[in-house]
Amino acid sequence: NAGVMQNPRHLVRRRGQEARLRCSPMKGHSHVYWYRQLPEEGLKFMVYLQKENIIDESGMPKERFSAEFPKEGPSILRIQQVVRGDSAAYFCASSPGVAKNIQYFGAGTRLSVL
Amino acid sequence: QKEVEQDPGPLSVPEGAIVSLNCTYSNSAFQYFMWYRQYSRKGPELLMYTYSSGNKEDGRFTAQVDKSSKYISLFIRDSQPSDSATYLCAMSAGANSKLTFGKGITLSVRP
Repeated sequence: NAGVMQNPRHLVRRRGQEARLRCSPMKGHSHVYWYRQLPEEGLKFMVYLQKENIIDESGMPKERFSAEFPKEGPSILRIQQVVRGDSAAYFCASSPGVAKNIQYFGAGTRLSVL
Repeated sequence: QKEVEQDPGPLSVPEGAIVSLNCTYSNSAFQYFMWYRQYSRKGPELLMYTYSSGNKEDGRFTAQVDKSSKYISLFIRDSQPSDSATYLCAMSAGANSKLTFGKGITLSVRP
C-alpha cells in the first residue's frame, strides 16, 4: 500500500539548468497538489492538478515554473533556468477528491541550486 | 496580516507534560482544519483532521476548533520524546482546495 512517491529525493542543479520533479499519487487518488518549503518558512501552495487539468495555479511563479499531470504517468513539476532562490524542499500531496480535504504528503524532493 | 499565524517557538517540555499548540487565522471561509507532524527531512504526516467547529480526540491528541474566535488548538497529553517534531497547522476553504499552513512550531520533549 504505497504512499505518495516522489523522486528524486535530492536534486542538485547549476544555475540555468532545468529541474524536473516527479510525483506518483497514492493508488486511487486523482488529485495532486504541489507545495514548496523554503528554509525557516512554512509550506506554501503552488499548484493543484487533476488528471490532464490544472485546477488552481495561483501559487505558481509566473515564469520558469510549470506543472502537468498527464493521463498516464506521474505528475511533473518543471523548473526552467533554475536560480539559487529556487533551492527548497518541494512536496507533493495527493487526495482522493471526495468530500473531505485530506491530503497525504510525499517525502519531498530537496532541490539545491549551485 | 498573514492568513494563518502560528506561535513561532521553539518549545521544550519535559516528558509527560501536556503540550498546547495554537494557530489563529483571518479567513472566515476556512472550514477544514488539520494538524500535521513533520520530522526532520521528512514529509508532513497528517495527525488530526476536523471539519468546522468542535473537538476531536485520538489517543493522546485532541484537536479543538473555535470558528467564532478563528482559533485552533492541538493538545498532546503525556508527551513522549518521540513527539519531538515540527507541528504545522493547516486549513482550507473547500473540500478540494489548497491548504494554507502556519509556519510550524518545533517541539522538543526532554526525557
